[in-house]
Amino acid sequence: GESVGLHLPTLSVQEGDNSIINCAYSNSASDYFIWYKQESGKGPQFIIDIRSNMDKRQGQRVTVLLNKTVKHLSLQIAATQPGDSAVYFCAEQGADGLTFGKGTHLIIQP
Amino acid sequence: NAGVTQTPKFQVLKTGQSMTLQCAQDMNHEYMSWYRQDPGMGLRLIHYSVGAGITDQGEVPNGYNVSRSTTEDFPLRLLSAAPSQTSVYFCASGQGVSSYEQYFGPGTRLTVT
Repeated sequence: GESVGLHLPTLSVQEGDNSIINCAYSNSASDYFIWYKQESGKGPQFIIDIRSNMDKRQGQRVTVLLNKTVKHLSLQIAATQPGDSAVYFCAEQGADGLTFGKGTHLIIQP
Repeated sequence: NAGVTQTPKFQVLKTGQSMTLQCAQDMNHEYMSWYRQDPGMGLRLIHYSVGAGITDQGEVPNGYNVSRSTTEDFPLRLLSAAPSQTSVYFCASGQGVSSYEQYFGPGTRLTVT
């Protein structure tokens, strides 16, 4: 079964608002977690990653939070823009490669 | 620097036909991998390679073969296509298997009738 999953298949937000996309994982031994963005008709694009010994990491307009106690990962996007419209996947790095969750479709409303 | 390229972009096969999906990268990455993406699901690892001459199975390897004769190329072969292999296939590369920034190609959309 899925070792990484997402709580909501679709998230709709107003342009300019902050977006929060959530992910639950089951493998407590995972050392590394990554968020990918996939636009329609394209391959996934790396956004940000976080090691298991961290609880927060910030990038440009994005923040990833890791709560190991409840095995929860979230991606926060500040001041959401139309270009942020995409499917967002969390993934965990395993010994062979990446294990992906099912994805959340972020819809931006004007 | 083209990154990761995949050909063809679209392909339709009949059940039982064979074909090869091409993947190439120009970043001198050691690690390359193939994923499939089905509707409403995340990507699942098919095969991967940690360097030329070395390949290994991922989560869903049945029905697929790979080889890695050069650092740049990592073709995926479907031996006898089945409707269950209808999917979008993505190739990815990275500095190593523990390279957390994997670069993905644009994908090949395959339909098996």
